[in-house]
Amino acid sequence: DSGVTQTPKHLITATGQRVTLRCSPRSGDLSVYWYQQSLDQGLQFLIQYYNGEERAKGNILERFSAQQFPDLHSELNLSSLELGDSALYFCASSVVPNEQFFGPGTRLTVL
Amino acid sequence: GQQLNQSPQSMFIQEGEDVSMNCTSSSIFNTWLWYKQDPGEGPVLLIALYKAGELTSNGRLTAQFGITRKDSFLNISASIPSDVGIYFCAGQTGANNLFFGTGTRLTVIP
Repeated sequence: DSGVTQTPKHLITATGQRVTLRCSPRSGDLSVYWYQQSLDQGLQFLIQYYNGEERAKGNILERFSAQQFPDLHSELNLSSLELGDSALYFCASSVVPNEQFFGPGTRLTVL
Repeated sequence: GQQLNQSPQSMFIQEGEDVSMNCTSSSIFNTWLWYKQDPGEGPVLLIALYKAGELTSNGRLTAQFGITRKDSFLNISASIPSDVGIYFCAGQTGANNLFFGTGTRLTVIP
């Protein structure tokens, strides 16, 4: 158990819909990272927050957005969903920038 | 973005054998990390490397940070069935995101 929690574990929705994925980092970790992993693919960095502020952006679509709240939990919002958005979405947190600890992921299925 | 290539893509080995996999990049990294991912789970950090030439062990796992800072390798000695999974390398240049490799899928035959 990494100490990072993600909810929900599974999410099934339809094209065009909007969903919110939630992440609680390890206690004391200020940085939260979001990654997308498509079937049998590596992890693609989406976005990073540090203590409530956006720190870095990767290949995140304009339809996707995130935020980090004062209690340090983070939410990833995915809107106007397409079939190709089906993937595993992972959150990671760190206190030492290099060593990121990953949550169990949310499996999103868009039908 | 940075491209990290891992080889081999997949491996089938007998229990008890040693395993070697590597990761190469066209870019220089300041940190190399190795993760293991079980199906449907999040990646688990195995080893972190911070200096060129560094050799670090974690139980039966040994990893090295290449001298050129563009590569790293991971060895697993005396493999056991629970070593099955996908192994990812990851490189980091600054204090932000990781760039992940394409993964090596390991199958251990009892």
